[in-house]
Amino acid sequence: EAQLVESGGGLVQPGGSLRLSCAASGFTFSSYSMNWVRQAPGKGLEWVSYISSSSSTIYYADSVKGRFTISRDNAKNSLYLQMNSLRDEDTAVYYCARDGIVGATGFDYWGQGTLVTVSS
Amino acid sequence: EIVLTQSPATLSLSPGERATLSCRASQSVSSYLAWYQQKPGQAPRLLIYDASNRATGIPARFSGSGSGTDFTLTISSLEPEDFAVYYCQQRSNLITFGQGTRLEIK
Repeated sequence: EAQLVESGGGLVQPGGSLRLSCAASGFTFSSYSMNWVRQAPGKGLEWVSYISSSSSTIYYADSVKGRFTISRDNAKNSLYLQMNSLRDEDTAVYYCARDGIVGATGFDYWGQGTLVTVSS
Repeated sequence: EIVLTQSPATLSLSPGERATLSCRASQSVSSYLAWYQQKPGQAPRLLIYDASNRATGIPARFSGSGSGTDFTLTISSLEPEDFAVYYCQQRSNLITFGQGTRLEIK
């Protein structure tokens, strides 16, 4: 069965940087588009970024554009999120999520999440 | 940006009752809509994709309907494990989530 495991979260000061990783297993990672979704404490879900299977198409939410960079290494079955110029409002649990059936709407597998806390 | 508005914010029902959750889009999203269930401390779980298709392993008591701007998630007879927060999500234009509906035990 497909599995996604995030890592790299932690406490960082405002203006700092952090790199999140998501290790994929149990499926052909190179065939699927991937996403990052975050959830601030006690709040709802917010989509952050999307990357296609070949990295040819990338999208960002306006709230992170210019500060965050999504990437992937299909040889290592890994997804990444480089986060720069972090702000207090970036504090959240960050999930990686797999796009489901090609062309369909829905993320069918999610990781357990990694907590990022931005605070001085 | 397409805004998804879910109603009600909180729904209080008893086990065995029927639950009807609404999601309205600020512009048409065709059928590019999904529903998720999230329990405390857990990642979201995909229930419905493309507005009306149940995801793998989802019980038949969950159903989705609608197209364009108005969508509904129906749980035909609530089980104790169904009490959770439910989110809708569109991908017609980038990706956005609704603010969620909390389904609580009455």
